[in-house]
Amino acid sequence: ETGVTQSPTHLIKTRGQQVTLRCSSQSGHNTVSWYQQALGQGPQFIFQYYREEENGRGNFPPRFSGLQFPNYSSELNVNALELDDSALYLCASSFGLAGVPGYEQFFGPGTRLTVL
Amino acid sequence: DAKTTQPTSMDCAEGRAANLPCNHSTISGNEYVYWYRQIHSQGPQYIIHGLKNNETNEMASLIITEDRKSSTLILPHATLRDTAVYYCIVSSPYDADSSNTGKLIFGQGTTLQVKP
Repeated sequence: ETGVTQSPTHLIKTRGQQVTLRCSSQSGHNTVSWYQQALGQGPQFIFQYYREEENGRGNFPPRFSGLQFPNYSSELNVNALELDDSALYLCASSFGLAGVPGYEQFFGPGTRLTVL
Repeated sequence: DAKTTQPTSMDCAEGRAANLPCNHSTISGNEYVYWYRQIHSQGPQYIIHGLKNNETNEMASLIITEDRKSSTLILPHATLRDTAVYYCIVSSPYDADSSNTGKLIFGQGTTLQVKP
């Protein structure tokens, strides 16, 4: 059974650029959530996708967008990058909506994004 | 905002039990208590969850007070590999009527240092 994978591992961008981060869910999982983790902070919920539709969003501006594909893999897109977007971006998959007992979230190792 | 309060840091001797407290005084009836941990440079890892009753699995035990306003995660025989940030999270299951997405809201967590 393959766990959650994310690519790339590290990424350096400049302010104003756009970035796409990718996540492959664990086998059999139909839900993916994205989190942003600034240095020294806990992960912050960005949004969740369930069966290819956005299902819940945290306090993040519209320039953070996502997609979930039929194979349940996912992308996080961030437009007009700002310095404060520098963080570890975590993807988590689950067999069902997060917060439902028994549908624990399995996290990937994250993508470290640095915005200069 | 996170609905839990945890100590910033704790130390534990290797081989001894680690008891990590969490306050969640505003928890409501349908909300579960989840524990995740994050080892340095990795994504968070699910440990255990509970509603009312005490729970035990191969990793840990979760003790929830009768009024459900606090809980304790117990690692019975801590090892050096248990050094991590431990997050206590309160989350309610997805509810279409209330638009609750069941997302996990992480706080700052407790940094547990297991010492030889």
